[in-house]
Amino acid sequence: QQPVQSPQAVILREGEDAVINCSSSKALYSVHWYRQKHGEAPVFLMILLKGGEQKGHEKISASFNEKKQQSSLYLTASQLSYSGTYFCGTESVANFGNEKLTFGTGTRLTIIP
Amino acid sequence: DVKVTQSSRYLVKRTGEKVFLECVQDMDHENMFWYRQDPGLGLRLIYFSYDVKMKEKGDIPEGYSVSREKKERFSLILESASTNQTSMYLCASRGSQWGSPSEKLFFGSGTQLSVL
Repeated sequence: QQPVQSPQAVILREGEDAVINCSSSKALYSVHWYRQKHGEAPVFLMILLKGGEQKGHEKISASFNEKKQQSSLYLTASQLSYSGTYFCGTESVANFGNEKLTFGTGTRLTIIP
Repeated sequence: DVKVTQSSRYLVKRTGEKVFLECVQDMDHENMFWYRQDPGLGLRLIYFSYDVKMKEKGDIPEGYSVSREKKERFSLILESASTNQTSMYLCASRGSQWGSPSEKLFFGSGTQLSVL
């Protein structure tokens, strides 16, 4: 079963902040985040592991709440280059070691000047 | 630069044809994946392979098969293409998780398949 992402789409002005959520019904040991620009391949942003670790990458950071099986991606002071579709990918504890990575339905982020 | 290469960017086929989508990676990765991407449905896993000649069903394997005869090449086969298989197909690869909790995926640019 796919993780659920919210919102499905969001439009922001340059400089505004955004939060994208990813929720799973399964116990997770990792959450991946990727960004896909129109017509291009998805590109890796970061991985969060079981343990509630928060990671950062420039003005993009993420958290993982393993008790709630949720992850959130935070984009602060958004730039035009942040536009694209964001996907979370999850690996469940039950499938640990079998390499299966399941993606969510995606969140389309549009940044306008 | 690491690379995952999909043989065709666009492909048009007729209903009932046998279709082969090819993917090659140059990173010596053990694991390779086929996803399909549809609007509103995100990326859905069709099949994956963790070693040569080894394969596992993903979440939507019906109507598809795969082949992995060499480590660097992973093929997706549509035995008899149908219109509901019109989609963007993405191949991905990553290294083994042994010694590392999780490895990132590298994606190819995708093949947009239209079945008429």
